[in-house]
Amino acid sequence: GESVGLHLPTLSVQEGDNSIINCAYSNSASDYFIWYKQESGKGPQFIIDIRSNMDKRQGQRVTVLLNKTVKHLSLQIAATQPGDSAVYFCAENSLGSARQLTFGSGTQLTVLP
Amino acid sequence: GAVVSQHPSRVICKSGTSVKIECRSLDFQATTMFWYRQFPKQSLMLMATSNEGSKATYEQGVEKDKFLINHASLTLSTLTVTSAHPEDSSFYICSARGQSYGYTFGSGTRLTVV
Repeated sequence: GESVGLHLPTLSVQEGDNSIINCAYSNSASDYFIWYKQESGKGPQFIIDIRSNMDKRQGQRVTVLLNKTVKHLSLQIAATQPGDSAVYFCAENSLGSARQLTFGSGTQLTVLP
Repeated sequence: GAVVSQHPSRVICKSGTSVKIECRSLDFQATTMFWYRQFPKQSLMLMATSNEGSKATYEQGVEKDKFLINHASLTLSTLTVTSAHPEDSSFYICSARGQSYGYTFGSGTRLTVV
């Protein structure tokens, strides 16, 4: 039968602007967080990660911010480009979870020309 | 860097038949492999975790007799969808983790059961 699922949150930004994608997590034991980019029909691609002993980490054009107090994670993409259009997932790993990742619901980023 | 090869990328099969999906770590030994299923516009849902040489651990609600996982070596894990039905149509993704690497994902397999 037909499956009913949640629609992905969407974010549209103009090319060249900065993008901010947010993620909330609920497990206070989570100690490792990863952002993935997934293009249509492909597997997730690693973007950046951060451990719970940090609150900020920067990569090339990307920055991840971690606020453990409110269990919030964000991904900032500077100077967003058309190639950045994709679905972005946060994933977390928790102590005692057999090292498996738990994925968030994802955000569809669309870059407008 | 770490590379995971997943094959086939697309497969169409008739209802009632079985389909095997392979996941290989090309340049590292994967002590643990994970299998995910993803429906359109949804997130990745973990199906099972497999460790080389031992039985896979399935998530609640995933039928182990229907989704057979074999992790026979440190570089290969297979997922066999047995007696496939249209509701099994989905995007299946594997992920491998070695001692020195993080989580590396395969490119996914689009399964369509007709």
